[in-house]
Amino acid sequence: AQKVTQAQTEISVVEKEDVTLDCVYETRDTTYYLFWYKQPPSGELVFLIRRNSFDEQNEISGRYSWNFQKSTSSFNFTITASQVVDSAVYFCALSEASSGSARQLTFGSGTQLTVLP
Amino acid sequence: SAVISQKPSRDICQRGTSLTIQCQVDSQVTMMFWYRQQPGQSLTLIATANQGSEATYESGFVIDKFPISRPNLTFSTLTVSNMSPEDSSIYLCSVEKGLVSWDEQFFGPGTRLTVL
Repeated sequence: AQKVTQAQTEISVVEKEDVTLDCVYETRDTTYYLFWYKQPPSGELVFLIRRNSFDEQNEISGRYSWNFQKSTSSFNFTITASQVVDSAVYFCALSEASSGSARQLTFGSGTQLTVLP
Repeated sequence: SAVISQKPSRDICQRGTSLTIQCQVDSQVTMMFWYRQQPGQSLTLIATANQGSEATYESGFVIDKFPISRPNLTFSTLTVSNMSPEDSSIYLCSVEKGLVSWDEQFFGPGTRLTVL
C-alpha cells in the first residue's frame, strides 16, 4: 500500500530564509509519480511539480527546488529566500502506476509553512 | 492546464439535508475525481467519476451517501446525502487531461461545506 509522510506539521521562518519541506513515501511499485501542491489560505490547490520514478534529476524553478532520492524514498522541497506569500500548506502526493486507469493521488498530511516578515 | 469551477463555493446546511456540488471543466478531460478535506486535515479520495458508468468508490465511502454523476467529459456532480456535522469539509473536484501518461492533476477551488 502506498503512503506519504510529511513529518513536519508546522514550520515558521523569517522572510529571506531558506526552508526545506520533507516528504518520505512508501510504495511497492517501480513506476510511480510524486507531486507537490501548495494550498494558500484561500483554499485552492496549486500544482507545483510532478516527478516520475525514473527521473532522479533534481529540478529548480526560480526559488523552488526539489531533491528526489530513491535510495531514501524522499522527495524534498526547498524554497530559497522565502517570502511572506509563500505562507501556505504544502502537500506531497504519490500516484502508483499499478492503480491502473484510476490515477488517484495519495496525499501526505501537509506542512503548514508560515513566513514571517 | 484546465480551468475548473465548482458550485457552490460554500454552503451552510442543516443536518439531514442533502447538497449537490457541481464541477465544470473548460475542456474535455479523461479522469475526474472527488476529494474530501476535513478541517485541518489532508485530502482523501472519495471516488473516481466515470463517464457513462457508475463511480468507483474508495474504502469508507459508499454510493448511498455520496452519489456521483458524470454525464459527459466536462461535468460531474457529487451529492452529500443526509448530512451530519461530521460531513463539514472542503470538497474538491480534480481532473486529469492526459490520455496515456500520468499528467498533473488540476484541482477546482473547492466547496466549503458546514453542516449545523
